[in-house]
Amino acid sequence: GESVGLHLPTLSVQEGDNSIINCAYSNSASDYFIWYKQESGKGPQFIIDIRSNMDKRQGQRVTVLLNKTVKHLSLQIAATQPGDSAVYFCAENSLQGAQKLVFGQGTRLTINP
Amino acid sequence: KAGVTQTPRYLIKTRGQQVTLSCSPISGHRSVSWYQQTPGQGLQFLFEYFSETQRNKGNFPGRFSGRQFSNSRSEMNVSTLELGDSALYLCASSLLLQGGTEAFFGQGTRLTVV
Repeated sequence: GESVGLHLPTLSVQEGDNSIINCAYSNSASDYFIWYKQESGKGPQFIIDIRSNMDKRQGQRVTVLLNKTVKHLSLQIAATQPGDSAVYFCAENSLQGAQKLVFGQGTRLTINP
Repeated sequence: KAGVTQTPRYLIKTRGQQVTLSCSPISGHRSVSWYQQTPGQGLQFLFEYFSETQRNKGNFPGRFSGRQFSNSRSEMNVSTLELGDSALYLCASSLLLQGGTEAFFGQGTRLTVV
Protein backbone atom coordinates (compact mmCIF):
# COMPACT_ATOMS: atom_id res chain seq x y z
CA GLY A 1 0.00 0.00 0.00
CA GLU A 2 2.81 2.49 -0.49
CA SER A 3 1.32 5.65 -1.88
CA VAL A 4 3.48 6.53 -4.82
CA GLY A 5 1.07 7.17 -7.66
CA LEU A 6 0.16 10.48 -9.20
CA HIS A 7 -2.89 9.13 -10.95
CA LEU A 8 -5.88 7.83 -9.10
CA PRO A 9 -7.43 4.73 -10.56
CA THR A 10 -11.09 5.29 -11.24
CA LEU A 11 -14.15 3.12 -11.14
CA SER A 12 -17.54 4.05 -12.52
CA VAL A 13 -20.60 2.00 -11.71
CA GLN A 14 -24.31 2.36 -12.17
CA GLU A 15 -26.42 3.21 -9.18
CA GLY A 16 -27.71 0.03 -7.63
CA ASP A 17 -24.87 -2.13 -8.93
CA ASN A 18 -22.19 -3.67 -6.73
CA SER A 19 -18.67 -2.19 -6.66
CA ILE A 20 -15.39 -3.89 -5.98
CA ILE A 21 -12.33 -1.81 -5.16
CA ASN A 22 -8.97 -3.53 -4.99
CA CYS A 23 -5.79 -2.77 -3.16
CA ALA A 24 -2.35 -4.38 -3.05
CA TYR A 25 -0.49 -3.87 0.19
CA SER A 26 3.23 -3.88 0.59
CA ASN A 27 4.22 -5.28 3.97
CA SER A 28 3.71 -8.96 4.68
CA ALA A 29 4.10 -8.15 8.40
CA SER A 30 1.04 -5.89 8.38
CA ASP A 31 -1.61 -7.29 10.65
CA TYR A 32 -4.38 -4.75 10.54
CA PHE A 33 -6.11 -3.19 7.55
CA ILE A 34 -8.64 -0.43 7.17
CA TRP A 35 -10.71 0.97 4.35
CA TYR A 36 -11.41 4.67 4.34
CA LYS A 37 -13.74 6.82 2.29
CA GLN A 38 -12.78 10.41 1.58
CA GLU A 39 -15.19 12.93 0.15
CA SER A 40 -14.05 16.20 -1.31
CA GLY A 41 -12.94 18.65 1.35
CA LYS A 42 -13.21 16.14 4.17
CA GLY A 43 -10.91 13.89 6.12
CA PRO A 44 -10.89 10.11 5.57
CA GLN A 45 -13.88 8.38 7.09
CA PHE A 46 -13.54 4.87 8.54
CA ILE A 47 -15.57 2.26 6.65
CA ILE A 48 -14.46 -1.16 7.83
CA ASP A 49 -11.40 -2.91 9.19
CA ILE A 50 -10.03 -6.43 9.24
CA ARG A 51 -7.30 -8.17 11.19
CA SER A 52 -4.84 -10.55 9.61
CA ASN A 53 -6.34 -13.56 11.35
CA MET A 54 -9.48 -13.13 9.26
CA ASP A 55 -10.08 -13.32 5.52
CA LYS A 56 -13.52 -11.73 5.36
CA ARG A 57 -15.53 -9.25 7.32
CA GLN A 58 -18.92 -7.80 6.61
CA GLY A 59 -20.50 -4.52 7.55
CA GLN A 60 -23.55 -2.70 6.42
CA ARG A 61 -23.50 -2.95 2.59
CA VAL A 62 -19.73 -3.42 2.68
CA THR A 63 -17.50 -6.47 2.75
CA VAL A 64 -13.74 -6.57 3.04
CA LEU A 65 -11.75 -9.54 1.77
CA LEU A 66 -8.15 -10.18 2.72
CA ASN A 67 -5.84 -12.49 0.80
CA LYS A 68 -2.55 -12.63 2.67
CA THR A 69 -0.98 -15.02 0.19
CA VAL A 70 -0.94 -12.40 -2.54
CA LYS A 71 -1.13 -9.38 -0.22
CA HIS A 72 -4.42 -8.23 -1.64
CA LEU A 73 -7.34 -6.45 -0.06
CA SER A 74 -10.71 -5.69 -1.60
CA LEU A 75 -13.75 -3.68 -0.63
CA GLN A 76 -17.12 -4.68 -1.95
CA ILE A 77 -19.97 -2.19 -1.78
CA ALA A 78 -23.41 -3.59 -2.40
CA ALA A 79 -26.20 -1.67 -4.13
CA THR A 80 -24.16 1.48 -4.61
CA GLN A 81 -25.82 4.80 -3.98
CA PRO A 82 -24.92 8.33 -5.15
CA GLY A 83 -23.56 9.03 -1.67
CA ASP A 84 -20.93 6.34 -2.21
CA SER A 85 -19.11 8.56 -4.70
CA ALA A 86 -15.75 9.34 -3.14
CA VAL A 87 -12.11 8.32 -3.09
CA TYR A 88 -11.50 5.05 -1.29
CA PHE A 89 -8.20 4.24 0.38
CA CYS A 90 -6.90 1.05 1.88
CA ALA A 91 -4.45 1.38 4.75
CA GLU A 92 -2.22 -1.13 6.51
CA ASN A 93 -0.68 -1.07 9.95
CA SER A 94 2.29 -3.22 10.80
CA LEU A 95 3.08 -1.94 14.27
CA GLN A 96 1.40 -3.81 17.10
CA GLY A 97 0.15 -1.40 19.69
CA ALA A 98 1.02 1.65 17.62
CA GLN A 99 -0.58 3.64 14.89
CA LYS A 100 1.38 4.13 11.68
CA LEU A 101 -0.85 3.67 8.71
CA VAL A 102 0.54 3.19 5.22
CA PHE A 103 -2.02 4.20 2.63
CA GLY A 104 -2.64 3.00 -0.87
CA GLN A 105 -2.97 5.53 -3.65
CA GLY A 106 -6.76 5.48 -3.60
CA THR A 107 -9.52 4.74 -6.07
CA ARG A 108 -12.06 7.31 -7.17
CA LEU A 109 -15.51 5.75 -7.29
CA THR A 110 -18.15 7.48 -9.38
CA ILE A 111 -21.77 6.41 -9.26
CA ASN A 112 -23.74 7.02 -12.43
CA PRO A 113 -27.48 7.59 -12.12
CA LYS B 1 -19.31 11.97 21.13
CA ALA B 2 -17.30 14.74 19.50
CA GLY B 3 -14.96 13.72 16.69
CA VAL B 4 -11.41 14.74 16.02
CA THR B 5 -11.14 18.51 15.80
CA GLN B 6 -8.43 20.25 13.84
CA THR B 7 -7.78 23.97 13.81
CA PRO B 8 -7.50 26.04 11.80
CA ARG B 9 -9.27 24.62 8.76
CA TYR B 10 -7.41 26.80 6.31
CA LEU B 11 -4.13 28.61 6.49
CA ILE B 12 -2.05 30.66 4.07
CA LYS B 13 1.59 31.26 4.90
CA THR B 14 4.61 32.70 3.17
CA ARG B 15 7.78 30.77 2.39
CA GLY B 16 10.18 30.86 5.29
CA GLN B 17 7.51 31.31 7.93
CA GLN B 18 6.58 28.71 10.48
CA VAL B 19 3.16 27.30 11.29
CA THR B 20 1.50 25.45 14.15
CA LEU B 21 -1.51 23.21 13.64
CA SER B 22 -3.69 21.86 16.41
CA CYS B 23 -5.55 18.61 16.92
CA SER B 24 -7.97 17.62 19.66
CA PRO B 25 -8.54 13.86 19.66
CA ILE B 26 -11.70 12.00 20.55
CA SER B 27 -12.19 11.95 24.31
CA GLY B 28 -10.35 9.00 25.81
CA HIS B 29 -8.06 8.46 22.82
CA ARG B 30 -4.42 8.69 23.76
CA SER B 31 -2.81 8.07 20.40
CA VAL B 32 -2.61 10.93 17.94
CA SER B 33 -0.97 10.57 14.56
CA TRP B 34 -0.40 13.11 11.82
CA TYR B 35 -0.48 12.66 8.07
CA GLN B 36 0.28 14.84 5.08
CA GLN B 37 -1.90 14.52 2.00
CA THR B 38 -0.83 15.87 -1.38
CA PRO B 39 -1.99 15.04 -4.91
CA GLY B 40 1.47 13.82 -5.82
CA GLN B 41 2.39 11.70 -2.81
CA GLY B 42 -0.99 10.78 -1.40
CA LEU B 43 -1.35 10.22 2.34
CA GLN B 44 1.95 9.97 4.17
CA PHE B 45 2.61 9.34 7.83
CA LEU B 46 4.36 12.13 9.69
CA PHE B 47 4.50 11.00 13.33
CA GLU B 48 2.55 9.43 16.16
CA TYR B 49 2.27 10.51 19.77
CA PHE B 50 1.12 8.49 22.73
CA SER B 51 1.07 9.72 26.29
CA GLU B 52 3.05 12.82 25.34
CA THR B 53 5.82 10.79 23.69
CA GLN B 54 6.65 10.57 20.02
CA ARG B 55 6.71 6.87 19.27
CA ASN B 56 7.02 6.75 15.51
CA LYS B 57 8.23 9.15 12.89
CA GLY B 58 7.83 9.12 9.13
CA ASN B 59 10.33 10.12 6.52
CA PHE B 60 10.06 13.88 6.78
CA PRO B 61 12.76 16.49 7.44
CA GLY B 62 13.41 17.86 10.88
CA ARG B 63 11.44 21.01 10.01
CA PHE B 64 8.38 18.94 10.84
CA SER B 65 7.89 18.46 14.55
CA GLY B 66 5.11 17.91 16.99
CA ARG B 67 4.14 17.44 20.56
CA GLN B 68 1.35 16.09 22.67
CA PHE B 69 -0.02 17.51 25.87
CA SER B 70 -1.23 15.75 29.00
CA ASN B 71 -4.83 16.04 27.81
CA SER B 72 -3.82 14.21 24.59
CA ARG B 73 -4.25 17.30 22.43
CA SER B 74 -1.48 17.53 19.89
CA GLU B 75 0.21 20.20 17.84
CA MET B 76 2.45 19.94 14.85
CA ASN B 77 4.86 22.58 13.74
CA VAL B 78 6.50 23.19 10.42
CA SER B 79 9.38 25.65 10.37
CA THR B 80 10.94 27.44 7.41
CA LEU B 81 8.01 26.67 5.17
CA GLU B 82 8.61 25.66 1.58
CA LEU B 83 6.18 25.74 -1.33
CA GLY B 84 6.14 21.96 -1.31
CA ASP B 85 4.71 21.93 2.20
CA SER B 86 1.37 23.00 0.78
CA ALA B 87 -0.92 20.12 1.64
CA LEU B 88 -3.83 18.90 3.65
CA TYR B 89 -2.58 17.96 7.12
CA LEU B 90 -4.67 15.33 8.80
CA CYS B 91 -4.74 14.23 12.38
CA ALA B 92 -6.08 10.87 13.53
CA SER B 93 -6.81 9.56 17.00
CA SER B 94 -7.03 5.98 18.23
CA LEU B 95 -7.80 4.05 21.37
CA LEU B 96 -5.01 1.64 20.45
CA LEU B 97 -6.36 -1.58 21.84
CA GLN B 98 -4.21 -4.62 21.30
CA GLY B 99 -4.42 -5.96 17.77
CA GLY B 100 -5.08 -2.70 16.06
CA THR B 101 -7.84 -0.20 16.32
CA GLU B 102 -9.62 2.25 14.11
CA ALA B 103 -7.99 5.58 13.49
CA PHE B 104 -10.49 8.40 13.26
CA PHE B 105 -9.53 11.40 11.20
CA GLY B 106 -10.30 15.05 11.57
CA GLN B 107 -11.31 17.31 8.68
CA GLY B 108 -7.75 18.43 8.21
CA THR B 109 -5.98 21.75 7.94
CA ARG B 110 -5.42 22.97 4.40
CA LEU B 111 -2.06 24.74 4.36
CA THR B 112 -1.09 26.85 1.39
CA VAL B 113 2.43 28.22 1.19
CA VAL B 114 2.93 31.13 -1.17
